[in-house]
Amino acid sequence: DIVMTQTQLSSAVTLGQPASISCRSSQSLVHSDGNTYLSWLQQRPGQPPRLLIYKIFNRFSGVPDRFSGSGAGTDFTLKISRVEAEDVGVYYCMQATQFPRTFGGGTKVEIK
Amino acid sequence: QVQLVESGGGVVQPGRSLRLSCGASGFPFGSYGMHWVRQAPGKGLEWVAVIWHDGSNKDYTDSVKGRFTISRDNSKNTMYLQMNSLRAEDTAVYYCARDAVECSGGSCYSLFAFDIWGQGTMVTVSS
Repeated sequence: DIVMTQTQLSSAVTLGQPASISCRSSQSLVHSDGNTYLSWLQQRPGQPPRLLIYKIFNRFSGVPDRFSGSGAGTDFTLKISRVEAEDVGVYYCMQATQFPRTFGGGTKVEIK
Repeated sequence: QVQLVESGGGVVQPGRSLRLSCGASGFPFGSYGMHWVRQAPGKGLEWVAVIWHDGSNKDYTDSVKGRFTISRDNSKNTMYLQMNSLRAEDTAVYYCARDAVECSGGSCYSLFAFDIWGQGTMVTVSS
C-alpha cells in the first residue's frame, strides 16, 4: 500500500497570512496513464470531507482561488494564500493512483 | 440537488452484522463509481471499499476483506455495505462518496477523486 505522510503545521496561522501543508507518498503517484492522482480534501469541524483539489493542482468547482496545489512524483503541497476564518479544519491528501486508496494523517489548520 | 444520504448505523455487539445504505439523488447514479470511507472517532480518513458504476468490479481494504460486502441497486439509486463479524475497531463514522467524473467531447473520465460525500452514519461496535 502507498503510505501518505503529512507534515504538521508548526503553529496556528494568523488571519490573512499564508499557510502551506506538505504531503509525501511512499512511492511515485504517477499512474500508468501518465496522470498523477493526488487530491486534497478539507474537513471542517463536524462536517464531512470536501474536495478542494484533484490531480495535484486542479481546483474543484466552487473552491476559492486562495487554495492552490503543486508538486510531482512523491512530494506535494497545498497552499492557502490568505487564511480566512472559514478555513479552520483538517486537511487531508489522498492518493488514487492505486488501490487501496490511502489518505494522509491530516493537518489541522487553526487560527491564532 | 446532488446528494448522498447514509443510513443504517447504530450500536451492535462484536461478531454481529449491520447493513449500511447510501441513497443518491440529483445525478445519474448508475454512471458513477462509488466508495465507502470511514473515520474512527478523533482519527483520520480510511478508505473501505469501491464499486464500479455497473457493479462489475469491487475492491476492499485488507482489514475488511471477507467480512464486508459492497453492492448497489442502480434501479433504486442506492449503494450498500453489508458488514459481518463486526469488531470494535470497525467503530467509525461511515461515509459514502462519489467518484468524480469529467465529461468532454461525448466521453466521460474518472478524475480519481471523491467529489460528493454524504453526512455519514455512525457505527459503534461494543458489548
